[in-house]
Amino acid sequence: QKEVEQNSGPLSVPEGAIASLNCTYSDRGSQSFFWYRQYSGKSPELIMFIYSNGDKEDGRFTAQLNKASQYVSLLIRDSQPSDSATYLCASPGGSNYKLTFGKGTLLTVNP
Amino acid sequence: ETGVTQTPRHLVMGMTNKKSLKCEQHLGHNAMYWYKQSAKKPLELMFVYNFKEQTENNSVPSRFSPECPNSSHLFLHLHTLQPEDSALYLCASSQGDSYNEQFFGPGTRLTVL
Repeated sequence: QKEVEQNSGPLSVPEGAIASLNCTYSDRGSQSFFWYRQYSGKSPELIMFIYSNGDKEDGRFTAQLNKASQYVSLLIRDSQPSDSATYLCASPGGSNYKLTFGKGTLLTVNP
Repeated sequence: ETGVTQTPRHLVMGMTNKKSLKCEQHLGHNAMYWYKQSAKKPLELMFVYNFKEQTENNSVPSRFSPECPNSSHLFLHLHTLQPEDSALYLCASSQGDSYNEQFFGPGTRLTVL
């Protein structure tokens, strides 16, 4: 069964630091990954999508995919208190419309 | 209205009640989803509809009954629920399959007494 694993945290970093969030997956056939951010009491919103090995950068966010080691990570540079949220890793597959989510990692950025 | 809307936002019901959750997407998407989010658990996919046809039923108990009258509206009918069904129920939509971004509604916080 397809699984996506995340350390639930909480991960606490000081403002301005780099936050590193990690996700491992069991299905070697997984080709792409989403990172969603979910603020407390809110619904998830997409922040990054990566489908090829290597890095993808978007502003302060960098997603890294390593298919050989079966992990995907999200780096947040210059972390801000407004980045405090739960970050969900998700991978499509299993069927055309199935998206498997990890439990999420709670990030707290301290001012 | 824009994006994905859900009503009600909060619902408290007894185990013998019947209620319905409503979701509407204003994005022109073809696929709509119901997810359950419980504390300490991953988001669980419950049902998927593509162009009004159900494509996924993720072994959900029959006390949850989905309905999709058209590509813009999705309902989740609830009856004889259990306290462990208390959770946040999220609706989402996408254009195309799961390789495309899913847009989530604000959710319905359900409490079963």
